[in-house]
Amino acid sequence: KAGVTQTPRYLIKTRGQQVTLSCSPISGHRSVSWYQQTPGQGLQFLFEYFSETQRNKGNFPGRFSGRQFSNSRSEMNVSTLELGDSALYLCASSPKAEYEQYFGPGTRLTVT
Amino acid sequence: AQRVTQPEKLLSVFKGAPVELKCNYSYSGSPELFWYVQYSRQRLQLLLRHISRESIKGFTADLNKGETSFHLKKPFAQEEDSAMYYCALSGWYSGAGSYQLTFGKGTKLSVIP
Repeated sequence: KAGVTQTPRYLIKTRGQQVTLSCSPISGHRSVSWYQQTPGQGLQFLFEYFSETQRNKGNFPGRFSGRQFSNSRSEMNVSTLELGDSALYLCASSPKAEYEQYFGPGTRLTVT
Repeated sequence: AQRVTQPEKLLSVFKGAPVELKCNYSYSGSPELFWYVQYSRQRLQLLLRHISRESIKGFTADLNKGETSFHLKKPFAQEEDSAMYYCALSGWYSGAGSYQLTFGKGTKLSVIP
């Protein structure tokens, strides 16, 4: 099976702009989770989608949002970018959220 | 709330020496615990989960509910074990009706030749 893919792999944006990141899960996986990884905070949970519904959300401001499509592909959007949003954003898929998660390579977002 | 603590940011050991990466957790229910590993320039991947009780690449981890720990061990470290190791807990959030995976901040293992 093909692994989790994320596009784009690298992004440079300016403060105040918005960005959309994309994630394609492993075929058959219905749960997609998003994480933010930074050197200071480590891996922090953003949100989880299952069958197009957001089931759980981490402690992030409303500028961070996401959605999942009927084919389980997911997008994450960050509006009004801040310098502190610079991070590696990881997507993970799973048959169900409680099972082991399979991670994508991440999208490296740099906000200048 | 669930929490995972990895007290060591960096652990350096000599090749052939035993390795123990510490992980403590806080969770009111019955946890599902994992160790994930990230090798240089590779994606995060599952190393092992406590429920399977497997030994992967020589690593084992035992869940100690009394001490709320899930330490990762290997009797003889190899150079290829150098990587970032994350302990993670999957817990049920009743309010969300869903599970959430919470990670520790990770321990960087460096095996000295």
